Amino acid sequence: QQQVKQSPQSLIVQKGGISIINCAYENTAFDYFPWYQQFPGKGPALLIAIRPDVSEKKEGRFTISFNKSAKQFSLHIMDSQPGDSATYFCAANAGNNRKLIWGLGTSLAVNP
Amino acid sequence: DAGITQSPRHKVTETGTPVTLRCHQTENHRYMYWYRQDPGHGLRLIHYSYGVKDTDKGEVSDGYSVSRSKTEDFLLTLESATSSQTSVYFCAISGSSGTETQYFGPGTRLLVL
Repeated sequence: QQQVKQSPQSLIVQKGGISIINCAYENTAFDYFPWYQQFPGKGPALLIAIRPDVSEKKEGRFTISFNKSAKQFSLHIMDSQPGDSATYFCAANAGNNRKLIWGLGTSLAVNP
Repeated sequence: DAGITQSPRHKVTETGTPVTLRCHQTENHRYMYWYRQDPGHGLRLIHYSYGVKDTDKGEVSDGYSVSRSKTEDFLLTLESATSSQTSVYFCAISGSSGTETQYFGPGTRLLVL
């Protein structure tokens, strides 16, 4: 049973465009929502994270939007660049059990 | 990069043989994790550890065992490898500053023939 549903599975965007990846969760106990970025042949790395007390968090070209009532959160990549081409994973965590529940990933390709 | 190494980085083995993968950290983090990554399945937790000699199962633990005899090392053992265990295995650590951030190692690519 997938507790965090991520979409789309793959995404192609032109350079300079906006990439949007969405995640939905079911467990209202989740209180930490990170996004990880993974390049081919590498391990995932934390990109940006949010807690439910805020509706948006921005770091450079990357923004997380969080909708607590809809139990959804999304990653927006503004001015997408070819170097952003990677696989992106959303995840969620409840309390201090330190186990992340992962989405299945989105493969992003940014065309030059 | 967080000080995490995995060994070996690549391994080819035959069905039925035992395999041990090693994760070594220099960050003194409390929590350590083993994941496998397969196309279409994302990251799946195999086992994790919340301290020396304290381990627990993840969602895909069948066929795997782990041991953690010291803070810096977390071993994953496939007692009798099967072709379904062909995968990329990632170790991760967390817990130094009270955040849930997980830092991943470079991965081990395992092929079971």
